[in-house]
Amino acid sequence: QVQLVESGGGVVQPGGSLRLSCGASGFTFSHYGMHWGRQAPGKGLEWVAFIRHDGSNKYYVDSVKGRFTISRDNSRNTLYLQMNNLRAEDTAMYYCGKDAIEGAFDVWGQGTMVTVSS
Amino acid sequence: DVVMTQSPLSLPVTLGQPASISCRSSQGLVYSDGNIYLNWFQQRPGQSPRRLIYKVSNRDSGVPDRFSGSGSGTDFTLKISRVEAEDVGVYYCMQGTHLWTFGPGTKVEIK
Repeated sequence: QVQLVESGGGVVQPGGSLRLSCGASGFTFSHYGMHWGRQAPGKGLEWVAFIRHDGSNKYYVDSVKGRFTISRDNSRNTLYLQMNNLRAEDTAMYYCGKDAIEGAFDVWGQGTMVTVSS
Repeated sequence: DVVMTQSPLSLPVTLGQPASISCRSSQGLVYSDGNIYLNWFQQRPGQSPRRLIYKVSNRDSGVPDRFSGSGSGTDFTLKISRVEAEDVGVYYCMQGTHLWTFGPGTKVEIK
């Protein structure tokens, strides 16, 4: 079945870096765009970034532009989110989500928690 | 940037009774291909979100038919015909026409 598994979360100090990964299985990864979303503790969902199926185009929410980079390795069926210069307000559960022709986030992962704290 | 609003933000419901959630976008959501990319998601306590509805009114596979979506322009609605205990959670609308934006969420709880 279609499955997304995130990893790489943890506790990091303000100004630090972290790289999240999302492993995909059960579908042809290279055919689909992919998203990252996040949810701060007790708060709502926020879209973070998107990458096209071939990596040709990338889009970001304004609050992470210049600090986060979305990328993918289609040979490894893996999506990444490189997060630099982390801030306390980046503390959240980070989810990867699959895009589809009919709309975004038809499949979600279980999430990986990122905590930015000194 | 497109702003999504939802009302109410909290919705106490009686089991077996209908429920309705409104979602409004700050801009029209018709994409260049003629489609409206408006989705609805359910997030049960302690779980990842799950998509229920795509393109305004299409139910995802496995979604009970008591869930329905409607709307046009900038106003959209998610309806639950008869609320069941498993429907407790937070419901989000999301637009995917102008990049992607989630609404603030509506918490559905049993009275």
